[in-house]
Amino acid sequence: QKEVEQNSGPLSVPEGAIASLNCTYSDRGSQSFFWYRQYSGKSPELIMFIYSNGDKEDGRFTAQLNKASQYVSLLIRDSQPSDSATYLCAVNTDKLIFGTGTRLQVFP
Amino acid sequence: DAGVTQSPTHLIKTRGQQVTLRCSPKSGHDTVSWYQQALGQGPQFIFQYYEEEERQRGNFPDRFSGHQFPNYSSELNVNALLLGDSALYLCASSFLQGTSTDTQYFGPGTRLTVL
Repeated sequence: QKEVEQNSGPLSVPEGAIASLNCTYSDRGSQSFFWYRQYSGKSPELIMFIYSNGDKEDGRFTAQLNKASQYVSLLIRDSQPSDSATYLCAVNTDKLIFGTGTRLQVFP
Repeated sequence: DAGVTQSPTHLIKTRGQQVTLRCSPKSGHDTVSWYQQALGQGPQFIFQYYEEEERQRGNFPDRFSGHQFPNYSSELNVNALLLGDSALYLCASSFLQGTSTDTQYFGPGTRLTVL
């Protein structure tokens, strides 16, 4: 079992819709969780981090964490074509373990 | 406030050669981590430096070594290059709090091509 798993996609959503990205992890001792956005050929850019169970909102982005289910998600509201990128989930077990990323395509 | 910087941006080497990549952390950060990202994959942790010591290491051979300087900048060295070392090499900086590293911010990366 991979330590951090993501559906590789692509996930295609129309402009203005909600995009839902999911991630599961195996280490129950993980303390913090991160979402990075990576455009093709560029480096990862931090979008959000979450430490506690529940929801955390920042603008159009909402991160959700359920430690009992070992599940992290990212919701993007009012998706824009500029949101088209690969979204990387990362889990901090005192080092960052990344999933392979989910490619999101937002079409006009 | 300067972010994380890396040099060079691109590098082409041949098999068997050695390469050195450089990273300067974000202002206020004291910890540097290095990652290798192959095409279509997530970043893979190589190692992390704090107080000029290797604090943690991922599953990479000894051909991969590093160094951290007193000003917190860091180098990644790779010896005896293999074709499979071709990848985007990412440096991330953070501030070590207690025993757990805080949020990591990435530099622009160095694209290494081994021919």
